[in-house]
Amino acid sequence: QSALTQPASVSGSPGQSITISCTGTSSDVGGYNYVSWYQQHPGKAPKIMIFEVSNRPSGVSNRFSGSKSGNTASLTISGLQAEDEADYYCCSHTSSNTRVFGTGTKVTVL
Amino acid sequence: QVQLVQSGAEVKRPGASVKVSCKASGYTFTSYDISWVRQAPGQGLEWMGWMIPNNGNTGYAQKFQGRVTLTRDTSISTAYMELSSLRSDDTAVYYCARGWNILDYWGQGTLVTVSS
Repeated sequence: QSALTQPASVSGSPGQSITISCTGTSSDVGGYNYVSWYQQHPGKAPKIMIFEVSNRPSGVSNRFSGSKSGNTASLTISGLQAEDEADYYCCSHTSSNTRVFGTGTKVTVL
Repeated sequence: QVQLVQSGAEVKRPGASVKVSCKASGYTFTSYDISWVRQAPGQGLEWMGWMIPNNGNTGYAQKFQGRVTLTRDTSISTAYMELSSLRSDDTAVYYCARGWNILDYWGQGTLVTVSS
């Protein structure tokens, strides 16, 4: 199972919106609504930000939103803040009944 | 509060095995799956497998089939990940996380270093 494809880096100025893509196949992202997104700050464990494509766990800012079209899922961060600078990973269910993570995206707040 | 506390760092020789523990507290251990994820230095997250503590059923990423074993001891609310035939590229931080579809709580990570 190959890792899902994400851009290596995305940047934006405070207050702007950015979108991170996550591209898979019909055997993972495109086939199921079990896509989640995780935020990871350096030296810390990941934190879930979005589950089942577009649902936010309680406590996660509504500046984070998720969507999916075909084999590509997306995470949008609106009103970018300094604290959003981190690595972001998507994760999808697969047809093998396993999970696969994306390659990861480093978000930089300019 | 929900906590997953993992065992400490390990240094192993190539070819050896390592067993990492993950002790759960603050919730009913058998009510949630446990997943294992690893992260090599400077690299991304890699899903390894998951276990249903209630019945011991497991599922593994194809890459680790035959080399990883997930077990649990429900009497002490602890999950275990054992990786055998270690190689230098198994050097990584290993995480346990609660859940299958939603990994909502994570352990602090255990650094496993494989070196001769």
